[in-house]
Amino acid sequence: AQKVTQAQTEISVVEKEDVTLDCVYETRDTTYYLFWYKQPPSGELVFLIRRNSFDEQNEISGRYSWNFQKSTSSFNFTITASQVVDSAVYFCALSEYILTGGGNKLTFGTGTQLKVEL
Amino acid sequence: DVKVTQSSRYLVKRTGEKVFLECVQDMDHENMFWYRQDPGLGLRLIYFSYDVKMKEKGDIPEGYSVSREKKERFSLILESASTNQTSMYLCASSFSDRRSEAFFGQGTRLTVV
Repeated sequence: AQKVTQAQTEISVVEKEDVTLDCVYETRDTTYYLFWYKQPPSGELVFLIRRNSFDEQNEISGRYSWNFQKSTSSFNFTITASQVVDSAVYFCALSEYILTGGGNKLTFGTGTQLKVEL
Repeated sequence: DVKVTQSSRYLVKRTGEKVFLECVQDMDHENMFWYRQDPGLGLRLIYFSYDVKMKEKGDIPEGYSVSREKKERFSLILESASTNQTSMYLCASSFSDRRSEAFFGQGTRLTVV
């Protein structure tokens, strides 16, 4: 069964610091996608980034970057120069195709609460 | 804009009641999901559906059932509500392509008393 682990429960940083959120996953699938979502205090989850399993090139998008390493089953997410508005719960998720019945199962980690203070 | 709408933001129900949580999406998505969110436990998948009338159990299906009679609507049913089902319930939808991100509703805070 697929599993997503976010070992960091809560992280506090001071504004302008860089912060990395860790994610480790387990899957038997050879082709899968990984995602990061943000849940601000308002509650609605918002998609941030995605990564497929067959391309290990790491990317940067604005203040966000991510490091995918298939050998260690990790998909870490970095916010550069953090801002107070980045304060939220961040979830890592894994999408896996279900052969027995069909469809894509989307499994989330337990989330990391990020607090950015002035 | 993609919209996933959950019928209620807050619900209070009594133990033993049958409870229906409704979710509607307007983007013609094939996949729909129901999660519950509890502090320290993250989002746990209850059920998902990849087509009309098709459903798959998630990680915590006990005490729940679902219905998907139309593509845009996915209902979560608590056959006999219990206090341990007090939680935040989140509905999501996505295209069937596994690269497709999920879009979430605003959540329903259910309290069973």
